[in-house]
Amino acid sequence: AQSVSQHNHHVILSEAASLELGCNYSYGGTVNLFWYVQYPGQHLQLLLKYFSGDPLVKGIKGFEAEFIKSKFSFNLRKPSVQWSDTAEYFCAVNANTGGFKTIFGAGTRLFVKA
Amino acid sequence: DAGVTQSPTHLIKTRGQQVTLRCSPISGHKSVSWYQQVLGQGPQFIFQYYEKEERGRGNFPDRFSARQFPNYSSELNVNALLLGDSALYLCASSLRLAPSYNEQFFGPGTRLTVL
Repeated sequence: AQSVSQHNHHVILSEAASLELGCNYSYGGTVNLFWYVQYPGQHLQLLLKYFSGDPLVKGIKGFEAEFIKSKFSFNLRKPSVQWSDTAEYFCAVNANTGGFKTIFGAGTRLFVKA
Repeated sequence: DAGVTQSPTHLIKTRGQQVTLRCSPISGHKSVSWYQQVLGQGPQFIFQYYEKEERGRGNFPDRFSARQFPNYSSELNVNALLLGDSALYLCASSLRLAPSYNEQFFGPGTRLTVL
């Protein structure tokens, strides 16, 4: 069965610090990978996604993620966080067998201190 | 443009009761998926419907059922409610069936509390 592990449940950073959130998945086949973000009081929204091609994916608001197939990882990064990045971040995987059966990780709550 | 809408916003039921949750997708979207999000966890996939047919099912008991109507809106039904069914139920819509070059948009959710 597919699963997604997010390494940190809570992260606290100061503004301008660099961010890296870890994500590992277990599935042997071809996958689609996603990072979603949920800002306080808002809906879950897509931050970035990987389907194929360049393993370094750029998303909105300066976020990027790197797919390392050999490590089954899809870590999220941002060079310099802002207070407005305070949110919950979810890594998700879809087994590319058609459809949106997407498996989510447990989430990482990021708090950025101003 | 209106996003994905869900009703009701909050719901309180007792064990053994039945509940129906509703979702209206973004105009033009033909796919609706349902997720359950228990506090402290990520969303868990329940169902996907596309063009009124079930196209995916997660590991949920038969007490959970859904359907999609000709206008692409959807209902999620849960029978014989258990305390463990207390969760935020999310609906997501997309234009097409599969994720490739296609984004899933989430609604605000329905908060179900089972007493």
